[in-house]
Amino acid sequence: DTGVSQDPRHKITKRGQNVTFRCDPISEHNRLYWYRQTLGQGPEFLTYFQNEAQLEKSRLLSDRFSAERPKGSFSTLEIQRTEQGDSAMYLCASSLVTHYAYGYTFGSGTRLTVV
Amino acid sequence: ILNVEQSPQSLHVQEGDSTNFTCSFPSSNFYALHWYRWETAKSPEALFVMTLNGDEKKKGRISATLNTKEGYSYLYIKGSQPEDSATYLCAFTYDYKLSFGAGTTVTVRA
Repeated sequence: DTGVSQDPRHKITKRGQNVTFRCDPISEHNRLYWYRQTLGQGPEFLTYFQNEAQLEKSRLLSDRFSAERPKGSFSTLEIQRTEQGDSAMYLCASSLVTHYAYGYTFGSGTRLTVV
Repeated sequence: ILNVEQSPQSLHVQEGDSTNFTCSFPSSNFYALHWYRWETAKSPEALFVMTLNGDEKKKGRISATLNTKEGYSYLYIKGSQPEDSATYLCAFTYDYKLSFGAGTTVTVRA
């Protein structure tokens, strides 16, 4: 296993278009997280899954955002009708939750630019 | 939303010098404190997970201390090298999620 992979690395889209990002976690990890980082800020929590169940969504996640994790494997994050404020780095992380102190493994992110 | 603060926001260090920076977090309901190193175009790399008051962790020239009673952690880099140039993020565990600080960006000058 080579870690958490995210695709694409970069995405430039026009305002109003839909975009979808993919995350492939470490195979034995049961939790998958999405975070978003904007310039000058730390990553902010968006949503997470335990296996295929989406357990929590941040209030930052507007109705234009949807995430899925079919069969508890890879996950997709879709943004509909993109806005310039959606420009950010979208990070995916996975973990094996047996203890709250277990580490999280991050992917290298997808950088979205909305023009 | 839990407030995690890091200072300074950035610092420049001469190669060979040592440096340190701070992460402040809520001292109540503490579970764990994480440190990550994030280099440009790479994924954030986990450095330490710290859970106990007084914990000290070390990885090569990098070490960290934890004070859960007063809500702070220090990260130290001894004998900085150019490859230490990165953004160092701390994150506080709550409800099995992470609340991140904005990071300290370290630039090591040769």
